[in-house]
Amino acid sequence: GDSVTQTEGLVTLTEGLPVMLNCTYQTIYSNPFLFWYVQHLNESPRLLLKSFTDNKRTEHQGFHATLHKSSSSFHLQKSSAQLSDSALYYCALTGNMGYKLTFGTGTSLLVDP
Amino acid sequence: GGIITQTPKFLIGQEGQKLTLKCQQNFNHDTMYWYRQDSGKGLRLIYYSITENDLQKGDLSEGYDASREKKSSFSLTVTSAQKNEMAVFLCASSMGFANTEVFFGKGTRLTVV
Repeated sequence: GDSVTQTEGLVTLTEGLPVMLNCTYQTIYSNPFLFWYVQHLNESPRLLLKSFTDNKRTEHQGFHATLHKSSSSFHLQKSSAQLSDSALYYCALTGNMGYKLTFGTGTSLLVDP
Repeated sequence: GGIITQTPKFLIGQEGQKLTLKCQQNFNHDTMYWYRQDSGKGLRLIYYSITENDLQKGDLSEGYDASREKKSSFSLTVTSAQKNEMAVFLCASSMGFANTEVFFGKGTRLTVV
């Protein structure tokens, strides 16, 4: 079946530094949809950005990601971290079953002043 | 906009007890989901339902039953609660197409004593 791998459980960095959260995936589906969801403390996960176009940069709320099918990756980046970016970030995939959304284990981002 | 309402917010059960979690959505979405959230394990799909009266097993369906009574509601039953189990159960819904956003409820926090 489909799977999503997020290698970092916790990322801690100082405000103003760049953010990069890793996401790789496995699916037999040739045209998967990839998503990043963000969950702030005591809130529900909500969609941050999504993509299905190979090698095209997708941006939203200062974050960006590019789907690279050649490496099965969809890393999340931001040029300058803010304190308010501290949250749990999930990478997710819709692969061969369009209805089934598979999530990774999540990366907690902690931004210090 | 719409809202997903999960009841109860907190559920304390005893080992071996059958426990039911309820979810209502007013988005008029066709597809609904139940996810389990554990720290370090991400969001794992228990059951999903593409339309009324449909049920599909996710990756973590063992030990659970589900029921899609009508389009707007989706229930999850823990068939036999495990001692020391603690998790958050998230209900979600979407239009059902592969590239559409999944919306989440605020969750039911389960504790088994």
